[in-house]
Amino acid sequence: DTEVTQTPKHLVMGMTNKKSLKCEQHMGHRAMYWYKQKAKKPPELMFVYSYEKLSINESVPSRFSPECPNSSLLNLHLHALQPEDSALYLCASSRLLRGPRGDTQYFGPGTRLTVL
Amino acid sequence: AQTVTQSQPEMSVQEAETVTLSCTYDTSESNYYLFWYKQPPSRQMILVIRQEAYKQQNATENRFSVNFQKAAKSFSLKISDSQLGDTAMYFCAFMKPGYSGGGADGLTFGKGTHLIIQP
Repeated sequence: DTEVTQTPKHLVMGMTNKKSLKCEQHMGHRAMYWYKQKAKKPPELMFVYSYEKLSINESVPSRFSPECPNSSLLNLHLHALQPEDSALYLCASSRLLRGPRGDTQYFGPGTRLTVL
Repeated sequence: AQTVTQSQPEMSVQEAETVTLSCTYDTSESNYYLFWYKQPPSRQMILVIRQEAYKQQNATENRFSVNFQKAAKSFSLKISDSQLGDTAMYFCAFMKPGYSGGGADGLTFGKGTHLIIQP
């Protein structure tokens, strides 16, 4: 089973709203990731959590706030976003162990975010 | 920092044909992983195949195989007997390994190749 789930599938929000994206996996993976993908572009790494601790922040603006409450759950809190933040937000997870396929990232279906 | 280059923005082949997608990368790391992911119109990112840099043997997964040339920093994907369902954007990606006790690293993607399989 390599399923990563993301909710909601679609989100429309105004620039003054506060919303959250949710990502969940039950594969025992200890690394979780947020990527942002604009239309016709490759995904760009935003954040990495390793063992529930933030290990990489790719200089993401503070209006994006990640949270990892436990090893299965990853949230992305959104506040005061701009229209240019409209994109597909992808979550991924990996085992973070040596050995076969330990570092393979499995992606969720994404949340399509529109900021008005 | 590493870079990944896919020089073919779009390719189109007939069903059942064989097609090769190109990827080159640049890194100073000696140990790393390379991946091909496909992203169909649904935009779900699906793993196609992975290659560990320390392995000389090229990875294969059913109709998909890679030609990994470490010295040349080249990692091409061959799709045999192409099918309509192979129509998708294909991304080549690089990743440094993360190990137990350490932190994970993210994927660096190329710009992608849009592959169209014609009936």
